[in-house]
Amino acid sequence: EVQLVESGGGLVQPGRTLRLSCAASGFTFDDYAMHWVRQAPGKGPEWVSGISWDSGTLGYADSVKGRFTISRDNAKRHLYLDMNSLRAEDTAFYYCAKATPLVYLGWLSPIDHWGQGTLVTVSS
Amino acid sequence: DIQMTQSPSSLSASVGDRVSITCRASQGVFNYLAWYQQKPGKVPKLLIYGASTLQSGVPSRFSGSRSGTDFTLTISSLQPEDVATYYCQKYNSAPITFGQGTRLEIK
Repeated sequence: EVQLVESGGGLVQPGRTLRLSCAASGFTFDDYAMHWVRQAPGKGPEWVSGISWDSGTLGYADSVKGRFTISRDNAKRHLYLDMNSLRAEDTAFYYCAKATPLVYLGWLSPIDHWGQGTLVTVSS
Repeated sequence: DIQMTQSPSSLSASVGDRVSITCRASQGVFNYLAWYQQKPGKVPKLLIYGASTLQSGVPSRFSGSRSGTDFTLTISSLQPEDVATYYCQKYNSAPITFGQGTRLEIK
């Protein structure tokens, strides 16, 4: 069974940094692209970032480009999201998500499994 | 960036009705279009990918189609458990984008 367990969320002041982690199990982690998706309470999902299986290709939403960095450690079966210069509008549940087997250009894909999410609240 | 416009934003129908939800892309996305179902308090569930391929385990009353840059999710016979919000998602290029959602209720 695929399991994705996020950690690292919490309350942080605007302008500060935070690192989210995702521990993956139940599938061959280094066979799949991975994504981060966020969802503010009462809003729809917003894709944040995606990364290919080998970290060779990746992408970001315009809203986080230059502030967030996605990375992965296949040996540890972990996905990460480093978030800098946090803003109030970054407040949301952040989900680690597994790509489907079929991907385009290394990482572009739908999502077939989601973690339970970790809440990031940016407020002074 | 390519914009995804979903319609309607909300929909009320009776059990057994045929229901359709549309997603229009501002530019071509080929068949790189997925549909998700999200129930309250749950994460989104993948229903359709590649515009028309049914994800494993999804009931066959769900189907997807494409006409140019217009995509349609159809539920052939609405069931009470289909009450949810439905999102389209395009994934042909960065940024990956979700539609704004369609809330489906039972009359």
